[in-house]
Amino acid sequence: EAQVTQNPRYLITVTGKKLTVTCSQNMNHEYMSWYRQDPGLGLRQIYYSMNVEVTDKGDVPEGYKVSRKEKRNFPLILESPSPNQTSLYFCASSSHGKKSPLHFGNGTRLTVT
Amino acid sequence: AQKVTQAQTEISVVEKEDVTLDCVYETRDTTYYLFWYKQPPSGELVFLIRRNSFDEQNEISGRYSWNFQKSTSSFNFTITASQVVDSAVYFCALTPGDSGGYQKVTFGTGTKLQVIP
Repeated sequence: EAQVTQNPRYLITVTGKKLTVTCSQNMNHEYMSWYRQDPGLGLRQIYYSMNVEVTDKGDVPEGYKVSRKEKRNFPLILESPSPNQTSLYFCASSSHGKKSPLHFGNGTRLTVT
Repeated sequence: AQKVTQAQTEISVVEKEDVTLDCVYETRDTTYYLFWYKQPPSGELVFLIRRNSFDEQNEISGRYSWNFQKSTSSFNFTITASQVVDSAVYFCALTPGDSGGYQKVTFGTGTKLQVIP
Protein backbone atom coordinates (compact mmCIF):
# COMPACT_ATOMS: atom_id res chain seq x y z
CA GLU A 1 0.00 0.00 0.00
CA ALA A 2 1.32 3.42 -1.00
CA GLN A 3 1.80 5.49 2.10
CA VAL A 4 3.72 8.05 4.08
CA THR A 5 4.56 6.83 7.56
CA GLN A 6 5.30 9.17 10.43
CA ASN A 7 6.42 8.21 13.89
CA PRO A 8 5.56 8.71 16.62
CA ARG A 9 1.88 9.72 16.47
CA TYR A 10 2.04 11.41 19.85
CA LEU A 11 5.05 12.82 21.66
CA ILE A 12 5.32 14.70 24.93
CA THR A 13 8.69 16.09 25.82
CA VAL A 14 10.36 18.78 27.87
CA THR A 15 12.02 21.98 26.78
CA GLY A 16 15.50 21.45 25.42
CA LYS A 17 15.43 17.69 24.96
CA LYS A 18 16.38 16.84 21.40
CA LEU A 19 13.89 14.82 19.43
CA THR A 20 13.41 13.40 15.95
CA VAL A 21 10.18 12.72 14.11
CA THR A 22 10.67 10.17 11.40
CA CYS A 23 9.00 10.16 8.00
CA SER A 24 9.22 7.49 5.35
CA GLN A 25 7.47 7.04 2.00
CA ASN A 26 7.28 3.96 -0.20
CA MET A 27 6.21 5.64 -3.44
CA ASN A 28 9.68 6.57 -4.71
CA HIS A 29 8.70 10.24 -4.59
CA GLU A 30 11.38 12.82 -5.10
CA TYR A 31 9.69 15.62 -3.19
CA MET A 32 9.13 15.56 0.54
CA SER A 33 8.16 18.28 2.96
CA TRP A 34 7.18 19.05 6.54
CA TYR A 35 4.30 21.18 7.80
CA ARG A 36 3.00 22.29 11.11
CA GLN A 37 -0.69 22.87 11.75
CA ASP A 38 -1.82 25.36 14.36
CA PRO A 39 -5.34 26.61 15.14
CA GLY A 40 -6.22 29.63 13.07
CA LEU A 41 -3.01 29.41 11.05
CA GLY A 42 -3.67 26.45 8.79
CA LEU A 43 -0.69 24.47 7.58
CA ARG A 44 2.67 26.14 7.26
CA GLN A 45 5.62 24.66 5.44
CA ILE A 46 8.72 24.11 7.57
CA TYR A 47 11.19 22.51 5.15
CA TYR A 48 11.04 20.76 1.85
CA SER A 49 13.36 18.54 -0.15
CA MET A 50 13.54 18.13 -3.90
CA ASN A 51 15.81 15.10 -3.79
CA VAL A 52 18.51 13.37 -1.82
CA GLU A 53 20.82 15.91 -0.18
CA VAL A 54 18.71 18.81 -1.52
CA THR A 55 16.69 20.66 1.10
CA ASP A 56 15.43 24.20 1.56
CA LYS A 57 13.57 26.31 4.05
CA GLY A 58 9.85 26.84 3.97
CA ASP A 59 7.98 29.59 5.77
CA VAL A 60 8.74 28.64 9.38
CA PRO A 61 12.13 26.85 9.55
CA GLU A 62 13.42 28.38 12.78
CA GLY A 63 14.15 25.77 15.42
CA TYR A 64 14.01 22.82 13.02
CA LYS A 65 16.48 20.77 11.04
CA VAL A 66 16.00 18.18 8.35
CA SER A 67 18.13 15.77 6.39
CA ARG A 68 17.57 13.75 3.23
CA LYS A 69 20.21 11.05 3.06
CA GLU A 70 17.93 8.53 1.43
CA LYS A 71 15.13 9.11 -1.00
CA ARG A 72 12.50 7.45 1.16
CA ASN A 73 13.29 9.14 4.50
CA PHE A 74 12.96 12.73 5.61
CA PRO A 75 13.29 13.12 9.38
CA LEU A 76 12.44 16.32 11.23
CA ILE A 77 14.83 17.21 14.03
CA LEU A 78 14.18 19.58 16.91
CA GLU A 79 17.57 20.18 18.52
CA SER A 80 16.21 22.13 21.48
CA PRO A 81 12.42 22.08 21.52
CA SER A 82 10.51 24.96 23.05
CA PRO A 83 6.84 25.24 24.06
CA ASN A 84 6.04 27.31 20.96
CA GLN A 85 6.83 24.23 18.90
CA THR A 86 3.88 22.44 20.42
CA SER A 87 1.86 21.64 17.31
CA LEU A 88 0.53 19.01 14.94
CA TYR A 89 3.15 18.05 12.39
CA PHE A 90 2.64 16.48 8.98
CA CYS A 91 5.10 14.99 6.58
CA ALA A 92 4.18 14.83 2.91
CA SER A 93 5.57 13.56 -0.36
CA SER A 94 4.75 14.16 -4.00
CA SER A 95 5.90 12.69 -7.28
CA HIS A 96 6.46 15.77 -9.44
CA GLY A 97 6.82 18.69 -7.11
CA LYS A 98 4.72 21.76 -7.64
CA LYS A 99 2.04 20.28 -9.85
CA SER A 100 1.52 17.06 -7.97
CA PRO A 101 -0.79 16.60 -5.00
CA LEU A 102 0.71 15.97 -1.61
CA HIS A 103 0.43 12.59 0.08
CA PHE A 104 0.39 13.16 3.80
CA GLY A 105 1.40 11.07 6.76
CA ASN A 106 -1.03 10.67 9.63
CA GLY A 107 0.51 13.43 11.67
CA THR A 108 2.51 13.72 14.89
CA ARG A 109 1.07 15.64 17.79
CA LEU A 110 3.95 17.14 19.72
CA THR A 111 3.65 18.72 23.14
CA VAL A 112 6.64 20.53 24.64
CA THR A 113 6.33 21.41 28.32
CA ALA B 1 4.80 36.50 -2.13
CA GLN B 2 1.75 34.34 -2.44
CA LYS B 3 -1.29 34.15 -0.26
CA VAL B 4 -4.39 31.99 0.11
CA THR B 5 -7.41 33.33 1.95
CA GLN B 6 -10.25 31.23 3.27
CA ALA B 7 -12.39 33.84 4.93
CA GLN B 8 -14.97 31.39 6.26
CA THR B 9 -13.60 29.99 9.49
CA GLU B 10 -16.55 27.77 10.32
CA ILE B 11 -19.75 26.89 8.49
CA SER B 12 -22.70 24.90 9.77
CA VAL B 13 -25.35 23.51 7.47
CA VAL B 14 -28.18 21.09 7.85
CA GLU B 15 -27.84 17.82 6.01
CA LYS B 16 -28.90 17.95 2.36
CA GLU B 17 -28.23 21.66 2.06
CA ASP B 18 -25.74 22.90 -0.52
CA VAL B 19 -22.66 24.71 0.74
CA THR B 20 -19.86 26.65 -0.94
CA LEU B 21 -16.41 27.05 0.53
CA ASP B 22 -14.56 30.10 -0.69
CA CYS B 23 -10.90 30.32 -1.62
CA VAL B 24 -9.20 33.49 -2.87
CA TYR B 25 -5.54 33.47 -3.82
CA GLU B 26 -2.77 35.89 -4.68
CA THR B 27 0.32 35.10 -6.72
CA ARG B 28 2.61 36.86 -9.18
CA ASP B 29 3.26 33.67 -11.12
CA THR B 30 1.51 33.21 -14.44
CA THR B 31 1.57 29.47 -13.98
CA TYR B 32 0.38 28.03 -10.70
CA TYR B 33 -1.51 25.10 -9.24
CA LEU B 34 -4.46 25.14 -6.88
CA PHE B 35 -5.49 22.29 -4.62
CA TRP B 36 -8.21 21.37 -2.18
CA TYR B 37 -7.59 19.00 0.73
CA LYS B 38 -9.98 17.54 3.26
CA GLN B 39 -9.17 16.87 6.91
CA PRO B 40 -11.92 14.80 8.57
CA PRO B 41 -12.21 14.60 12.36
CA SER B 42 -9.84 11.62 12.34
CA GLY B 43 -7.09 14.06 11.36
CA GLU B 44 -5.58 12.77 8.13
CA LEU B 45 -5.24 15.07 5.13
CA VAL B 46 -6.74 13.87 1.88
CA PHE B 47 -6.25 15.34 -1.57
CA LEU B 48 -9.49 16.25 -3.38
CA ILE B 49 -8.62 18.12 -6.56
CA ARG B 50 -5.92 20.01 -8.46
CA ARG B 51 -6.44 22.80 -10.98
CA ASN B 52 -3.81 24.34 -13.27
CA SER B 53 -3.85 28.08 -13.86
CA PHE B 54 -4.17 27.58 -17.60
CA ASP B 55 -7.21 25.34 -17.32
CA GLU B 56 -10.31 27.24 -16.30
CA GLN B 57 -12.76 24.44 -16.82
CA ASN B 58 -14.93 23.79 -13.86
CA GLU B 59 -15.08 20.27 -12.55
CA ILE B 60 -17.75 18.10 -11.05
CA SER B 61 -17.20 14.88 -9.18
CA GLY B 62 -20.35 13.44 -7.76
CA ARG B 63 -21.68 15.88 -5.18
CA TYR B 64 -18.50 17.97 -5.35
CA SER B 65 -17.86 20.75 -7.81
CA TRP B 66 -15.16 23.36 -8.18
CA ASN B 67 -15.44 26.79 -9.76
CA PHE B 68 -12.12 28.29 -10.86
CA GLN B 69 -12.21 31.95 -11.94
CA LYS B 70 -8.90 33.63 -12.77
CA SER B 71 -10.64 37.00 -13.17
CA THR B 72 -11.49 37.04 -9.46
CA SER B 73 -8.57 34.83 -8.31
CA SER B 74 -10.97 32.39 -6.76
CA PHE B 75 -11.22 28.62 -6.58
CA ASN B 76 -14.44 27.83 -4.77
CA PHE B 77 -15.66 24.42 -3.71
CA THR B 78 -19.34 23.48 -3.61
CA ILE B 79 -20.84 20.45 -1.94
CA THR B 80 -24.33 19.62 -3.14
CA ALA B 81 -26.77 17.84 -0.85
CA SER B 82 -24.30 17.79 2.03
CA GLN B 83 -23.95 14.73 4.21
CA VAL B 84 -22.66 14.21 7.73
CA VAL B 85 -19.56 12.52 6.27
CA ASP B 86 -18.67 15.86 4.67
CA SER B 87 -17.99 17.31 8.11
CA ALA B 88 -14.30 18.21 8.04
CA VAL B 89 -11.81 21.00 7.75
CA TYR B 90 -11.15 21.90 4.14
CA PHE B 91 -7.92 23.52 3.01
CA CYS B 92 -7.21 25.37 -0.19
CA ALA B 93 -3.56 25.48 -1.29
CA LEU B 94 -1.43 27.13 -3.96
CA THR B 95 1.89 26.15 -5.54
CA PRO B 96 3.68 28.63 -7.84
CA GLY B 97 4.75 27.24 -11.17
CA ASP B 98 7.03 29.76 -12.87
CA SER B 99 10.23 28.63 -11.14
CA GLY B 100 11.67 25.23 -11.91
CA GLY B 101 11.60 22.36 -9.45
CA TYR B 102 10.77 24.43 -6.44
CA GLN B 103 7.85 23.43 -4.27
CA LYS B 104 6.75 26.18 -1.95
CA VAL B 105 3.19 25.38 -0.98
CA THR B 106 0.96 27.95 0.67
CA PHE B 107 -2.17 26.80 2.47
CA GLY B 108 -5.18 28.78 3.54
CA THR B 109 -6.21 28.72 7.16
CA GLY B 110 -8.97 26.23 6.48
CA THR B 111 -12.76 26.18 6.71
CA LYS B 112 -14.37 23.91 9.24
CA LEU B 113 -17.61 22.51 7.88
CA GLN B 114 -20.13 20.97 10.20
CA VAL B 115 -23.06 19.14 8.66
CA ILE B 116 -25.87 18.71 11.14
CA PRO B 117 -28.10 15.67 10.71
